[in-house]
Amino acid sequence: RKEVEQDPGPFNVPEGATVAFNCTYSNSASQSFFWYRQDCRKEPKLLMSVYSSGNEDGRFTAQLNRASQYISLLIRDSKLSDSATYLCVVKPPGSARQLTFGSGTQLTVLP
Amino acid sequence: SQTIHQWPATLVQPVGSPLSLECTVEGTSNPNLYWYRQAAGRGLQLLFYSVGIGQISSEVPQNLSASRPQDRQFILSSKKLLLSDSGFYLCAWSGYPPGESSYNEQFFGPGTRLTVL
Repeated sequence: RKEVEQDPGPFNVPEGATVAFNCTYSNSASQSFFWYRQDCRKEPKLLMSVYSSGNEDGRFTAQLNRASQYISLLIRDSKLSDSATYLCVVKPPGSARQLTFGSGTQLTVLP
Repeated sequence: SQTIHQWPATLVQPVGSPLSLECTVEGTSNPNLYWYRQAAGRGLQLLFYSVGIGQISSEVPQNLSASRPQDRQFILSSKKLLLSDSGFYLCAWSGYPPGESSYNEQFFGPGTRLTVL
């Protein structure tokens, strides 16, 4: 089983739609969780950290379910500019320096 | 604020030639530094990380090496490139956020796209 698993997609949604991505992680003792965004042929950029209580940043909402070991990202009112690959990232236990990246979920928002 | 630079942006090299990619970070001190590779359509693969000058940890055995000659400089090298070395090479840094006791988020440079022919 992969340490971090994501549905690769692609997700093709119309502008204005709500879309949700899920990600599962294998190590229940993992400590920190993030969502990164990667545009085509560009570097990954931190989108948001995921806190235990859930957190929201504008149209983006992240949730963490430790019992089921999954993380979700909800995007409301999708914009064309949201088209990108979304990477689920986990900080495993005992690894103060490293992160484990999922392979990413591709999103295309259609006009 | 912190910035991270990588160069060159694009590189085309013949098989068997040497490689040197450079990464520098500004606006922070004693960062953790990382080299990743992303093959076309694939996820990020951690190659090396460094917690200080001269301290390099290798994650994947291969014909690549890394060095950290200065606190904010990280270099990725190869003596002889293979076709399989083609990919998108990303340098990243992380540091202690204020009030935190461990490194968390990593921040990436713009990357070098390497094609080995």
